[in-house]
Amino acid sequence: GAGVSQSPSNKVTEKGKDVELRCDPISGHTALYWYRQSLGQGLEFLIYFQGNSAPDKSGLPSDRFSAERTGGSVSTLTIQRTQQEDSAVYLCASSWAQDSPLHFGNGTRLTVT
Amino acid sequence: AQTVTQSQPEMSVQEAETVTLSCTYDTSESDYYLFWYKQPPSRQMILVIRQEAYKQQNATENRFSVNFQKAAKSFSLKISDSQLGDAAMYFCAYRSAMNNNAGNMLTFGGGTRLMVKP
Repeated sequence: GAGVSQSPSNKVTEKGKDVELRCDPISGHTALYWYRQSLGQGLEFLIYFQGNSAPDKSGLPSDRFSAERTGGSVSTLTIQRTQQEDSAVYLCASSWAQDSPLHFGNGTRLTVT
Repeated sequence: AQTVTQSQPEMSVQEAETVTLSCTYDTSESDYYLFWYKQPPSRQMILVIRQEAYKQQNATENRFSVNFQKAAKSFSLKISDSQLGDAAMYFCAYRSAMNNNAGNMLTFGGGTRLMVKP
């Protein structure tokens, strides 16, 4: 079956612009995660959605970052007024439940010029 | 807060040989999960192996095995009979078993780049 799908694959934007990154999880997966991977670094947790529960936003680095998950499926990560330090690969993952293995997408590489 | 440390930024192994990647972690919890993920150039994170902290037996998956030392908080990955396709970034990760916000996220190490020489 289809895996986790992320779009766009690559995004170049000018400093100060807003961007939206999309994640299509595996059908039926109730848990969805966003992670950020800066160049040469490990993954940094951003936000977690589980079913209809309030999301865990504890990893969002600033109020310029927000995320939604509509209908318990597709998720959008929005970064407002982008800064150069936002340049990174943004990875989405989904799982059947909180304690199930995570399935990752191929990520979106964001470059802020 | 939990931390995960991978002290080897890069490792190199000859094809068909064995290599061990190191990982240590810091936690005050007694129940948790540990993982090794592989990230090839495609960027997709692929689960290699998983270990539950309450299990004393080391996990194995074909050519991949771990040496889990709970008291030492060490979780190394051994790759036997290395293949060219094993070349990738490898990340060690920790996840709390607690059913709350702390249990929601994986904490990753900084990664080890593995090169396989033909």
